Amino acid sequence: DAGITQSPRHKVTETGTPVTLRCHQTENHRYMYWYRQDPGHGLRLIHYSYGVKDTDKGEVSDGYSVSRSKTEDFLLTLESATSSQTSVYFCAMAKGGTGGYEQYFGPGTRLTVT
Amino acid sequence: DQQVKQNSPSLSVQEGRISILNCDYTNSMFDYFLWYKKYPAEGPTFLISISSIKDKNEDGRFTVFLNKSAKHLSLHIVPSQPGDSAVYFCAAGGRETSGSRLTFGEGTQLTVNP
Repeated sequence: DAGITQSPRHKVTETGTPVTLRCHQTENHRYMYWYRQDPGHGLRLIHYSYGVKDTDKGEVSDGYSVSRSKTEDFLLTLESATSSQTSVYFCAMAKGGTGGYEQYFGPGTRLTVT
Repeated sequence: DQQVKQNSPSLSVQEGRISILNCDYTNSMFDYFLWYKKYPAEGPTFLISISSIKDKNEDGRFTVFLNKSAKHLSLHIVPSQPGDSAVYFCAAGGRETSGSRLTFGEGTQLTVNP
């Protein structure tokens, strides 16, 4: 769906370096999410946002931080990347509440930490 | 604690036959269930959903069945087509869940053979 994009699409970085992934949506949806996908684990929630400057932790938040300064942008930061953070990262958005629980996903970012 | 489980990592069916994908959940507070389809190198796409007040929802070749007493849902695809080959995730959420979060299963790889 062109309403949500992620950048970069691929990144290789070294252990210990900071990394920021960007998610941008054009639908003015209130909720945004960051997931990681790993074999055997499905999609696991890292952090989510329920409004500008309003964020909370998901089930695998250790080593990650997020920021949402504008409705359309949701940033995921790995302060000091580790090999265990090699994964595919997906951003998603949702209207939420009476607007619907369906989440719509971006195309993903493949991150490799060497 | 895996609240949403897809016990079959893979499923192979012949073109034209029925595909049945299964999902079990443990949290009785879930009241909204969804299925997503994911092709390689793409983000998951929303397929079909069902509310806990229903036991069946149909959309073209796709039907989702919900058995609340068994905490079980299934996705039926009839007839199956080679283009249906993808990873399918089930997801669950609840009106009481903050941030309109969803919990995903591990995924089932469906292969439809011509």
